[in-house]
Amino acid sequence: DIQMTQSPSSVSASVGDRVTITCRASQDISSYLAWYQQKPGKAPKFLIYGASRLQSGVPSRFSGSGSGTDFTLTISSLQPEDFATYYCQQANSLPWTFGQGTKVEIK
Amino acid sequence: QVQLQESGPGLVKPSETLSLTCTVSGGSISYYYWAWIRQPPGKGLEWIGYIYYSGSTNYNPSLKSRVTISVDTSKNQFSLKVTSVTAADSAVYYCARAAVAGKGSFDFWGQGMLVTVSS
Repeated sequence: DIQMTQSPSSVSASVGDRVTITCRASQDISSYLAWYQQKPGKAPKFLIYGASRLQSGVPSRFSGSGSGTDFTLTISSLQPEDFATYYCQQANSLPWTFGQGTKVEIK
Repeated sequence: QVQLQESGPGLVKPSETLSLTCTVSGGSISYYYWAWIRQPPGKGLEWIGYIYYSGSTNYNPSLKSRVTISVDTSKNQFSLKVTSVTAADSAVYYCARAAVAGKGSFDFWGQGMLVTVSS
């Protein structure tokens, strides 16, 4: 199985801050990488696919980059509604696997 | 807008079978892949398996011997069965649609159903 490792596990930030989350795959997954946002008690929300393609309706302050084994999710200016846990997921090969999550907390 | 809703027992006894159904509304189940994903309390996400509307399936090897996913296109539903459950199977179970754009990712999710394995 492909292991997905996110860093940091948690980050404290203020409204307006730029936040970057890293996701590393244990082997080359090309650009088959998705990002999700999950708030407590809710289902994950689909943000980005193909490493950098924004899902329809997702604010442009979210962006993704990377290919191969190293990927990043960037929130350019953190908004109050962005405080949540973020997960990456590889979709290159079965079984599809997720990172352990990065919690974005209020500073 | 596609909506998914999980249903089934919230409490299952150890060694018994967990059975959940996902009802799809606002769109047809046809021509899409549909998946089950679970999340133990306070932990991360685990893909369980998927089914194509035609009935072809693929399962996570970690669960393959105990999992069956089926589809009923006439009811716009698909289902999950996990046999011989233990406490380790306690989790929130989500059904989801595989994204049209973005191979292997999931664009629509159910709200999730907490299933507890306990006697």
